[in-house]
Amino acid sequence: ELKVEQNPLFLSMQEGKNYTIYCNYSTTSDRLYWYRQDPGKSLESLFVLLSNGAVKQEGRLMASLDTKARLSTLHITAAVHDLSATYFCAVDILRSSGYSTLTFGKGTMLLVSP
Amino acid sequence: GAGVSQSPSNKVTEKGKDVELRCDPISGHTALYWYRQSLGQGLEFLIYFQGNSAPDKSGLPSDRFSAERTGGSVSTLTIQRTQQEDSAVYLCASSFIGDLRAFFGQGTRLTVV
Repeated sequence: ELKVEQNPLFLSMQEGKNYTIYCNYSTTSDRLYWYRQDPGKSLESLFVLLSNGAVKQEGRLMASLDTKARLSTLHITAAVHDLSATYFCAVDILRSSGYSTLTFGKGTMLLVSP
Repeated sequence: GAGVSQSPSNKVTEKGKDVELRCDPISGHTALYWYRQSLGQGLEFLIYFQGNSAPDKSGLPSDRFSAERTGGSVSTLTIQRTQQEDSAVYLCASSFIGDLRAFFGQGTRLTVV
């Protein structure tokens, strides 16, 4: 059974600080996604990582993928309040049906305070 | 509309009643997914549609859950004889075939009392 584990599940940080969220998964996959969810809102796609060593950056967020270690990281640089949200990683897995679906981690709730 | 639309946004129902949740995907998106998000949990895959066919129903938690899709567009998730453990946010997502990104609706918050 595929497991996708994120840590930490809750992160409280001050503005201006740096931190990393980790996403480990238990089976082979070359495609990993990061989503953001604001309270009461839907999921917004942040990054799609397609290969080993892939790195993508958008503003203060940078995501990377190590398929050999089955690990992705989401690094936050100089956090600001607007980054407060829940962040999910998801792994694209080929199911026995022959189709791919996303398996999600439990999410990391990030709270950035002044 | 431009995004995935779900209705109702909130639904409170009595235990034992049936409910129908609707998803209107982005026009032209052939792939459609239903997920369930329970408090403090991640997203749990329920069912996947390719056009009107559901090649993967493996995530449906019990035979009280069913879904259909008509015209390659709107999908309905039906929960019969609802139980309190069915309380969750039900999210729908759609994508083009081969597109790596799925676009999510805002969800239906179901509360069974």
